[in-house]
Amino acid sequence: EAGVAQSPRYKIIEKRQSVAFWCNPISGHATLYWYQQILGQGPKLLIQFQNNGVVDDSQLPKDRFSAERLKGVDSTLKIQPAKLEDSAVYLCASSPPPPAERQFFGPGTRLTVL
Amino acid sequence: GENVEQHPSTLSVQEGDSAVIKCTYSDSASNYFPWYKQELGKGPQLIIDIRSNVGEKKDQRIAVTLNKTAKHFSLHITETQPEDSAVYFCAAPEGAFGGGGNKLTFGTGTQLKVEL
Repeated sequence: EAGVAQSPRYKIIEKRQSVAFWCNPISGHATLYWYQQILGQGPKLLIQFQNNGVVDDSQLPKDRFSAERLKGVDSTLKIQPAKLEDSAVYLCASSPPPPAERQFFGPGTRLTVL
Repeated sequence: GENVEQHPSTLSVQEGDSAVIKCTYSDSASNYFPWYKQELGKGPQLIIDIRSNVGEKKDQRIAVTLNKTAKHFSLHITETQPEDSAVYFCAAPEGAFGGGGNKLTFGTGTQLKVEL
């Protein structure tokens, strides 16, 4: 079974530029999560989708971050404009429908903002 | 919201020894406790999880114990090997896990180093 796919794996941008990350979840997984992992910390949830609807985006900085999940499969996370403090690894995870619901992570995208 | 504390932040053991990592959580409604292993440059990998209706779960050299009264859970790795070297994260949900409301709060991680 293929895992969660993410691209790009690495991205370097200047502050105030924009960037987008892509995620393809495991086939059949209805729930998709975007996490931010700052160096030396645990992942922090940014947004959770159930199919193509948002379940929780309470920790998403909506003035600069946006995410969408069209057709309930792939998802993109965008940052515009980027700040230095956005340097982190952005992880995508997905989970199957209840009752399993374990979360499986992709390899992440390492973003460096200069 | 949920608050998860994890200790120690670093742990060094000799190959073949046991390693124990401990976490505490704050939300008494939490009922699901996963552990993830993260190797350098990779995403977190689920290694074991436990639901609150059991006190202990074991999978080969890995075990997790849960004390709901004290609100803490622990990861035990026996007969450690060099490939066990990684960062380990515990997590707990905000409220009851399941039904689509599965927001996990992660601990700050433990860097485990297994020395030859």
